[in-house]
Amino acid sequence: EVQLVETGGGLIQPGGSLRLSCAASGFSVSTKYMNWVRQAPGKGLEWVSIIYSSGTTYYADSVRGRFTISRDDSKNTLYLQMNSLRAEDTAVYYCSREGDGGSGETDFWGQGTLVTVST
Amino acid sequence: DIQMTQSPSSLSASVGDRVTITCRASQSINTYLNWYQHKPGKAPKLLIYLASSLQSGVSSRFSGSGSGTDFTLTISSLQPEDFATYYCQQSYNTLFTFGPGTKVDIK
Repeated sequence: EVQLVETGGGLIQPGGSLRLSCAASGFSVSTKYMNWVRQAPGKGLEWVSIIYSSGTTYYADSVRGRFTISRDDSKNTLYLQMNSLRAEDTAVYYCSREGDGGSGETDFWGQGTLVTVST
Repeated sequence: DIQMTQSPSSLSASVGDRVTITCRASQSINTYLNWYQHKPGKAPKLLIYLASSLQSGVSSRFSGSGSGTDFTLTISSLQPEDFATYYCQQSYNTLFTFGPGTKVDIK
């Protein structure tokens, strides 16, 4: 059974750093592209970042240069390193994996982890 | 970047109603368009990929159509469990942008 479990969220001051983890089971993160998507309070879904099986990465304009997506194949875990955090980064962060259609859709999502950036 | 818009932003409907949501891309995305359902406190759920392909396990009352810049999601007969927010997402280029969402609530 495919499962994705995000951890690492919490309260952090503006300018601080946080690393989110997404532990996967039921498949290998190295064989699928993996995404981070977030939802700020009262807002819609916002795509954040993707890492392909090749290791190629892309970022939304709003986080490029501050966030880094990576994975540890030996731990079957996806990460999101978030630096220089801002109030507008406050959101529930979801990890998700490539669907079997392989056309950019994501078929499994975690339950999310809440990041709050505030003094 | 490709911008996505949706209409309406919200709608009220009754159980059994036919519901149509529209999504428009700022440039042609061929059929690289996905639809998700999202309920508060839950993980988003993939409904449709490649504009019209029904995700495994999803009810056939959901259908999608369109290509290029204009797309629709149709719920043929709204059920109580369908009250949620629906998002389109383009996966044509590497920045997989979402639309702003359409909230479907009970009339």
